[in-house]
Amino acid sequence: GQQLNQSPQSMFIQEGEDVSMNCTSSSIFNTWLWYKQDPGEGPVLLIALYKAGELTSNGRLTAQFGITRKDSFLNISASIPSDVGIYFCAGLNYGGSQGNLIFGKGTKLSVKP
Amino acid sequence: DTAVSQTPKYLVTQMGNDKSIKCEQNLGHDTMYWYKQDSKKFLKIMFSYNNKELIINETVPNRFSPKSPDKAHLNLHINSLELGDSAVYFCASSPRGQLYGYTFGSGTRLTVV
Repeated sequence: GQQLNQSPQSMFIQEGEDVSMNCTSSSIFNTWLWYKQDPGEGPVLLIALYKAGELTSNGRLTAQFGITRKDSFLNISASIPSDVGIYFCAGLNYGGSQGNLIFGKGTKLSVKP
Repeated sequence: DTAVSQTPKYLVTQMGNDKSIKCEQNLGHDTMYWYKQDSKKFLKIMFSYNNKELIINETVPNRFSPKSPDKAHLNLHINSLELGDSAVYFCASSPRGQLYGYTFGSGTRLTVV
């Protein structure tokens, strides 16, 4: 089945630093999504990307849909303590009412104040 | 109002028991899902229902049976619980076309002892 390789697995950074994480796949996706999961909660959508090459921002977050449609990255600028959590990339291929959101294994972010 | 709500939040039970987890969404979405998150935080789809019809049934033991009484509800019943079933189970929903990703509930932590 389709698999997403997400890296790094974990990051320990100082408050104020920029963060970068990425996701690659052996197959093409129509849509790339980035989610954040806080402890004890479900994943929450941060950014959705629909077109190859698309670059989208959401506040301090920026994500890009790779030209080959097989990769995506997420950048967080000027990290703050509340950025702590697990970030997941997810790829989606949909057709009509069917689809299957496939997740990467997550990047655990720790921010030192 | 919570968009996707699951009950219970925590469930501790003995091996061999039968248990159910309930999920309701008030977003008017057409499709609902069950995901399993293991101890390594990997999220894997189990089932997908579109308008009460089963769409996706990944390789899940037949002890797991989803039931969708209507478009807004998708319950998960698990028979003869085993130790390996311990995980966090997430319900999610998405609108038709799934262009906006999935909205997740806050999870049910199942512990089988």
